[in-house]
Amino acid sequence: NAGVTQTPKFRVLKTGQSMTLLCAQDMNHEYMYWYRQDPGMGLRLIHYSVGEGTTAKGEVPDGYNVSRLKKQNFLLGLESAAPSQTSVYFCASSDGQGAETQYFGPGTRLLVL
Amino acid sequence: GQNIDQPTEMTATEGAIVQINCTYQTSGFNGLFWYQQHAGEAPTFLSYNVLDGLEEKGRFSSFLSRSKGYSYLLLKELQMKDSASYLCAVMDSNYQLIWGAGTKLIIKP
Repeated sequence: NAGVTQTPKFRVLKTGQSMTLLCAQDMNHEYMYWYRQDPGMGLRLIHYSVGEGTTAKGEVPDGYNVSRLKKQNFLLGLESAAPSQTSVYFCASSDGQGAETQYFGPGTRLLVL
Repeated sequence: GQNIDQPTEMTATEGAIVQINCTYQTSGFNGLFWYQQHAGEAPTFLSYNVLDGLEEKGRFSSFLSRSKGYSYLLLKELQMKDSASYLCAVMDSNYQLIWGAGTKLIIKP
C-alpha cells in the first residue's frame, strides 16, 4: 500500500515550457486535490476532483489544467510555465468531504527559470 | 476574506509542554484540522475538531472554541522528533480547506 505517490520529485523548467505532474493513489479515494506550498503562505488549492471524470477549480487555478481520467490518477498540467509557478506541489486524496482526512503525497519541487 | 492566523515560529525545550494557537475567520465552518509537516516532507494528519472542547490523542491534544474562532494544539513531553511545522486548517462552507502558514516548532535539548 503505497498511499499517494507523485512523479517527478523535482524538476527545473524554462519559462514557457510545459509539463505534467502525475499523482497516483491506491486507497480507492473519490476525492483528489492539487495544492501549492510557498514560503510564508499556507497551502493553496489549485484544482480538485470529486470523482473520476470530474474536476473543479480551487483558489489559484490560473495557468494550470487537470484531468482525472482514472479514479486513481490526477494529473496537473502547466501549459506555459512562469517563474511565479516555482513552488512545491502537493497532491492529496480523501475518501470524502467533511471530517475525512486528506492524505498527502511527498511533493514535487518545481523551479521555473 | 478568509484568514487563518498562527505564530510563525516557536521554541520549546525537550520534555516540556508547548501550546500552538490558531485563530480563524472563514466563510462557514465544517471542522478544524491540525497537520504536522517535517521539513521537506508531506503534511500528515494529527487531529480534527468540529465541536467545542478538547480532543486528546496521546501526547497531543487539540482544543476548539467556535464562538471565539480559536483553536490550540497542545504537545506534551516534547521530543526532538516533534521539531516540525504545525499547520492549522479550517474546512469552510464549500468543504474546502483553508490553511494557515504554519508554525515552525524548534525543540532544544
